[in-house]
Amino acid sequence: ILNVEQSPQSLHVQEGDSTNFTCSFPSSNFYALHWYRWETAKSPEALFVMTLNGDEKKKGRISATLNTKEGYSYLYIKGSQPEDSATYLCAFWGSNYQLIWGAGTKLIIKP
Amino acid sequence: DAGVTQSPTHLIKTRGQQVTLRCSPKSGHDTVSWYQQALGQGPQFIFQYYEEEERQRGNFPDRFSGHQFPNYSSELNVNALLLGDSALYLCASSLGPQNEQFFGPGTRLTVL
Repeated sequence: ILNVEQSPQSLHVQEGDSTNFTCSFPSSNFYALHWYRWETAKSPEALFVMTLNGDEKKKGRISATLNTKEGYSYLYIKGSQPEDSATYLCAFWGSNYQLIWGAGTKLIIKP
Repeated sequence: DAGVTQSPTHLIKTRGQQVTLRCSPKSGHDTVSWYQQALGQGPQFIFQYYEEEERQRGNFPDRFSGHQFPNYSSELNVNALLLGDSALYLCASSLGPQNEQFFGPGTRLTVL
């Protein structure tokens, strides 16, 4: 059984502080890792699609890194703002087209 | 350019009934994936349709079936509904099976 685990499950961060959280996935048969942001009452929105070991992608204050050999990805948010409050989901695509989602990290930014 | 649309938005059924949910993908997308999201959990992958065929399937019973039409729209059918089928059903479309997915607003199904 393959699992994708995200930690922590939830996180409270003071506005202005930086934060990061983790997605762990199987290190074999890797094809791609996706990060999504899911705000309450909205649909999930893609942040990054990462495919290469050592990849680092950035979108504004949010960035992500990928280590396929050890099976983890970090998502970083610099200078958290209230609009960053959301659940952040990662999804693992295996080379056999298997798709496994993590349960998400719920981020709450305190003003 | 319309994004992913789903219908209906809400649905109430009773145990044993059958339900059909519909999804229209984002313009230009050829792949549709369906997910079930129970309260407090991440999306659970049901299946994916590409070129009118089911390409991948998650760990869901045969009561869950689907279809993709030539215009790439898709339906999710659930037979013999159980209370545990109550959830938000999300549809996502992409250009190709393993690329960035764009999600619809979901259909909230309640089984009584």
